[in-house]
Amino acid sequence: EVQLVESGGGLVQPGGSLRLSCATSGFTFSNYWMYWVRQAPEKGLVWVSRINSDGSTINYADSVKGRFTISRDNAKNTLYLQLNSLRVDDTAVYYCTRDHSMGVWGQGTTVTVSS
Amino acid sequence: DVVMTQSPLSLPVTLGQPASFSCRSSQSLVYSDGNTYLNWFHQRPGQSPRLLIYMVSNRDSGVPDRFSGSGSGTDFTLKISRVEAEDVGVYYCMQHTHWPRTFGQGTKVEIK
Repeated sequence: EVQLVESGGGLVQPGGSLRLSCATSGFTFSNYWMYWVRQAPEKGLVWVSRINSDGSTINYADSVKGRFTISRDNAKNTLYLQLNSLRVDDTAVYYCTRDHSMGVWGQGTTVTVSS
Repeated sequence: DVVMTQSPLSLPVTLGQPASFSCRSSQSLVYSDGNTYLNWFHQRPGQSPRLLIYMVSNRDSGVPDRFSGSGSGTDFTLKISRVEAEDVGVYYCMQHTHWPRTFGQGTKVEIK
């Protein structure tokens, strides 16, 4: 069974940092582009970042560029998102999802930025 | 960025009756390879999104055949032939023809 399991969310003060992880199983992780998508409370879905299969191509939404860093460890079948200089408007559920079609999603991990 | 506009934003439906949602893009979603990369997702309350339809009209694995997608260019439609209770939630369209990927704002479906 294909699975994506996010972790690492929590409550952090503005300006703080978090590292999100997405552990995967049930498919050949190293063959796929991976994406992070977030959803603020009671809001819609917004793409955050993506990384290609070997980590050589990375893109970010303008709203997180310079603050967030996506990475992957194909030996551990795990995707990461380092969140730095967090702002109140980064508060959201963060989902990892597979491939350009976003056909598989994790359950999400909640990031709350508040003083 | 390509703007995806969904309508209506809220749709009260009657069990057993059909329902239809619209998604319009600010640019054509036909890619250089001739394909149109428009997907539909369903998100139940408190759950993750689920892919329903990819490339305009292809149902993902396990999606009931009461769901169908159609459209071309900039205008797309998702239809439910007979609404069931489990269909409540928010439906999002998303394009992955152009960069960056963009989602519509969602159509919320509730049972009357």
